[in-house]
Order: sequence, then C-alpha cells, then structure tokens
Amino acid sequence: QSALTQPASVSGSPGQSITISCTGTSSDIGGYNYVSWYQQHPGKAPKLMIYDVSNRPSGVSNRFSGSKSGNTASLTISGLQAEDEADYYCSSYTSSPTLVFGGGTKLTVL
Amino acid sequence: EVQLLESGGGLVQPGGSLRLSCAASGFTFTTYAMSWVRQAPGRGLEWVSGISVSGVTTYYADSVKGRFTISRDNSKNTLYLQMNSLRAEDTAVYYCAKDLSKLKAFDIWGQGTMVTVSS
Repeated sequence: QSALTQPASVSGSPGQSITISCTGTSSDIGGYNYVSWYQQHPGKAPKLMIYDVSNRPSGVSNRFSGSKSGNTASLTISGLQAEDEADYYCSSYTSSPTLVFGGGTKLTVL
Repeated sequence: EVQLLESGGGLVQPGGSLRLSCAASGFTFTTYAMSWVRQAPGRGLEWVSGISVSGVTTYYADSVKGRFTISRDNSKNTLYLQMNSLRAEDTAVYYCAKDLSKLKAFDIWGQGTMVTVSS
C-alpha cells in the first residue's frame, strides 16, 4: 500500500488561510469517506483534528475544516495562528483493509 | 483521564524479538478497536497493525506481516505487539492508538515507546 501524497511543506502568515492536499486512489480516499487529519508538534504524539473527511472531534477549533473531491482530500486552516505550526498527516481507510498515512506536510507560520 | 501508556521498547539486535504493551485507562477498552502506529526518526507516520474489539480480527501492514503479531487482553485493558525477526528499518517510536471505529481514525494516542534495532 503506497503512502498518500502530500506536499512536503506549506506556509502562511498569521490570519491567512492555507490548504493542504492529500492525494490517493480509488482504493482508499476515493472509495471511502474515512479520511482523517492529524496535527503533530515536535516530540509529541499526533492529535486527531478531522475524521470522516469533515468532522471535528470535540475541542478542535472550527478554524480547521476538511473536504474531499474524488481521490483528493484537503485540510483547510483559516485564521492561521502561531500555534498551528506543526506537521500535518492525512490518513485513509483502504480496501485491503488497512490504513495508510500521507507522507506529512510541515506547516510554517511566517 | 483517558490514557494509553506504552512500555517494552528498547535496544535489540537485528533478528531479535521484543514485545510492546499498551495499558489503557479512562475509557471502556473492551468496546474499541485498537492499532499500533510507528514513526521512524525524522520520518512520517506509518500504520503497523490493528485489532478488532474481540481480538478475533487482526490487520497488518505489508512491511510487518508475518513478523509482528498484535493481540489484546480485554480482562487487563492491555494491547500488545509481539515483534519478531526485527530489522534496522523497524527502528521507530511505536504508538498505540484508540480507534474510533475499525481503521477509521485514532482519537487517543499514547506517548510512544522507542524501539532501536542495532548491533
């Protein structure tokens, strides 16, 4: 199972919005509405930010939103804040069945 | 407090074995699927293995199939990962994670335990 494809890095200024893409295939992202997004700060465990494509767990800011079109999912962060600087990973259920992660995207808040 | 606490990591020689444990507390362990996820130094997340609520159904990444075995003891609220025939590329921080539903999303993570495979 190949990893999902994410951009290696994205950046934005405080207050701006950014979008991170995550591209898979019809056997994972395109076939199921089970895409999740995780935030990971250095030296910390990942934190679930979005599940089932667009649902936010309790306690996660509504500045974080998710969507999907075909084989590509997206995470949008609006009103960027310094604390949002972290690594972000997407994941998807697959037809095998297994779960596959993206390679990760480093978000820099300028 | 909802918590997952991994243990059992350490230094092991190539070809060796190690068993990781993950003690769960603060939630009804017996009603959730669980998984192991690893992260090699400086690298991304890699899903390793998952197990159903009952423990009857297990899932593995191709990279560990035939070498690793996931299991759980619901009477002890504990998840395990038996790792055999270890390779240098298995070196990573291993996290246990609570699954919202079968392989869908992980809402609770442990702090991780480091496994180093080296001679």
